[in-house]
Amino acid sequence: AQRVTQPEKLLSVFKGAPVELKCNYSYSGSPELFWYVQYSRQRLQLLLRHISRESIKGFTADLNKGETSFHLKKPFAQEEDSAMYYCALTTGNQFYFGTGTSLTVIP
Amino acid sequence: DAGVIQSPRHEVTEMGQEVTLRCKPISGHNSLFWYRQTMMRGLELLIYFNNNVPIDDSGMPEDRFSAKMPNASFSTLKIQPSEPRDSAVYFCASSSGTLSNEQFFGPGTRLTVL
Repeated sequence: AQRVTQPEKLLSVFKGAPVELKCNYSYSGSPELFWYVQYSRQRLQLLLRHISRESIKGFTADLNKGETSFHLKKPFAQEEDSAMYYCALTTGNQFYFGTGTSLTVIP
Repeated sequence: DAGVIQSPRHEVTEMGQEVTLRCKPISGHNSLFWYRQTMMRGLELLIYFNNNVPIDDSGMPEDRFSAKMPNASFSTLKIQPSEPRDSAVYFCASSSGTLSNEQFFGPGTRLTVL
């Protein structure tokens, strides 16, 4: 069963526009959720995690248990945000990544 | 620190051959993960080790795949015999502590099985 769903494989927005990358999860317990990012020619790296409740590079993500979502948002997209974004979940015993969303910010 | 080191970076082999991928985790990290990345399925966790012991190998696709971690600074992922459908990018990652902690990824090994 797919634990983490990212419905958009590709997403394009204009520079300065708001961006939202969707992530839904399937887990009845208390999950821990993450967003990882892979910039061109760089390694996959952690962007943020829900337990930290922090904003990184202008991105935020709120865990919505009612909607089982953990969408990633940024009010004003920048060209350097173009990358592959992966939502991930751990149940404590296992770790699941979504299939990823490729974000392109158009100048 | 060079971070997680993987070798080789690229591997091209013929169907039926044995393939061995190597990983050196970040010094001091006690958890190591092997992932496979494909266009269709994204990133899949194959197996992870904690303190050199395999904790969960439920993601290993079949018996042709095996992984070892003989010591804290080295792990291998072996495919024998390899098949074209094994073509993918294989990532190794390491972390300290539990699955809740940040994972640091290697550059990946791009495997092509002809």
